[in-house]
Amino acid sequence: AQTVTQSQPEMSVQEAETVTLSCTYDTSESDYYLFWYKQPPSRQMILVIRQEAYKQQNATENRFSVNFQKAAKSFSLKISDSQLGDAAMYFCAYRSGDAGNMLTFGGGTRLMVKP
Amino acid sequence: EPEVTQTPSHQVTQMGQEVILRCVPISNHLYFYWYRQILGQKVEFLVSFYNNEISEKSEIFDDQFSVERPDGSNFTLKIRSTKLEDSAMYFCASSFRAGVLDGYTFGSGTRLTVV
Repeated sequence: AQTVTQSQPEMSVQEAETVTLSCTYDTSESDYYLFWYKQPPSRQMILVIRQEAYKQQNATENRFSVNFQKAAKSFSLKISDSQLGDAAMYFCAYRSGDAGNMLTFGGGTRLMVKP
Repeated sequence: EPEVTQTPSHQVTQMGQEVILRCVPISNHLYFYWYRQILGQKVEFLVSFYNNEISEKSEIFDDQFSVERPDGSNFTLKIRSTKLEDSAMYFCASSFRAGVLDGYTFGSGTRLTVV
């Protein structure tokens, strides 16, 4: 079974600075998908960014980018020019490319942004 | 932007009672899911539903749980006889395809408290 680990329960960043959230996963599959979801307080989870394992190029969405290291099974999220609205719980998630469409989540990282 | 709507936002129920959690997925989505998050723990997959039948379920989704799409718009999760350990945040999600290219859209969750 796949597992996803987020080793940082909490992180804080100064507004306008850059922060990196870590995620590692364990799988024996070669085809899979990785996601970062953001969950603001009392709000639904929103997809931030997605990475297909077969793509070598790291995904980027505006201020959000990932560092996908397939061999190391690492999928970190970098947030540049942090804004107060980035404060949220961030979840890393894994989806198999072959077996089913369920998501396996990490434990989450709470990001605080200081003004 | 289309949303997944969950009602109620918070439900308190007596142990042993039946409870139905309701979700309205995005109208053109074809795949539907329930996840739960016990306080302080990871978000866990419960079940996925496609073409009016369960396509995948986890070990958590035992005989006490059932899902239904009664009228083509709602997607419900029923817990037949609630236990204290069923207290959790329950998230509904939907996707147009199997969540790969377009991700999953989550609702804001229903907090279930079993007393």
